[in-house]
Amino acid sequence: QKEVEQDPGPLSVPEGAIVSLNCTYSNSAFQYFMWYRQYSRKGPELLMYTYSSGNKEDGRFTAQVDKSSKYISLFIRDSQPSDSATYLCAMKLTGGGNKLTFGTGTQLKVEL
Amino acid sequence: GAVVSQHPSWVICKSGTSVKIECRSLDFQATTMFWYRQFPKQSLMLMATSNEGSKATYEQGVEKDKFLINHASLTLSTLTVTSAHPEDSSFYICSARDTTHGTRQETQYFGPGTRLLVL
Repeated sequence: QKEVEQDPGPLSVPEGAIVSLNCTYSNSAFQYFMWYRQYSRKGPELLMYTYSSGNKEDGRFTAQVDKSSKYISLFIRDSQPSDSATYLCAMKLTGGGNKLTFGTGTQLKVEL
Repeated sequence: GAVVSQHPSWVICKSGTSVKIECRSLDFQATTMFWYRQFPKQSLMLMATSNEGSKATYEQGVEKDKFLINHASLTLSTLTVTSAHPEDSSFYICSARDTTHGTRQETQYFGPGTRLLVL
C-alpha cells in the first residue's frame, strides 16, 4: 500500500463546475499538507499549504484536512479551462527531515 | 516571492557526455534543495537532498557517482549527470525550502524543470 493514494483520473468537468480532488494517506504522523498544480512540461506550483486539520481558503481554492479520516481535499470553485492541469497532493512529517511524500497526481481537464 | 529558477530549460546531448543543471532560489535563501526526476504521466521521484556546505543525501537506488550534486551557496545547487546515457533522458526538477521566511519553511518551491534528452 502506498503512503499516499490519489486517483490519477483523468477527471473531466465542464467550465464553471466545482471540482473536488482528494488524497488519502496511511501515516497519521503527517502534519503538513500541500497541493501543487503542475502544467504539462512545467514544474509544480504551490497552491495551498495547511498545517494539521481544518480548512483554508484562497480565492477559488479551498483545502480541507481531516486527520481523523486521513483524508485531504482540494475544492476548485467556478473552474476554468486554465485550471486544466495535474494536481499533486503532498505531505510532510513534523521534524521528520525535509522530505515531502507525494500522491501520484490527478489530471484535470476543464472543458468549455 | 519564493521563485526558483533552473537552467537550462532543455538540453540535448550525446551519449557519454556530462550535463550540468543549475537550480537557483531567486528571492530567498535555501540551505536545503531537492532534486527530482519525473517520467511522463508519473509523479515526482526524489533523487537526492542537497544541503548547503555538506554532502548531498541520495535516495536508495540513485547512484551518487552518476548524479553529482553541489550546493555551494545558499541560493545555488547544481546537478551534474555524468556520462549520460539514453536511459537518463527525463524531466529533472529541483525544489528549495525557504529558510528565510519562517511560515514557509515546511513547503518546497519548485523550479520549472529541465528536460534532458540523451541521444
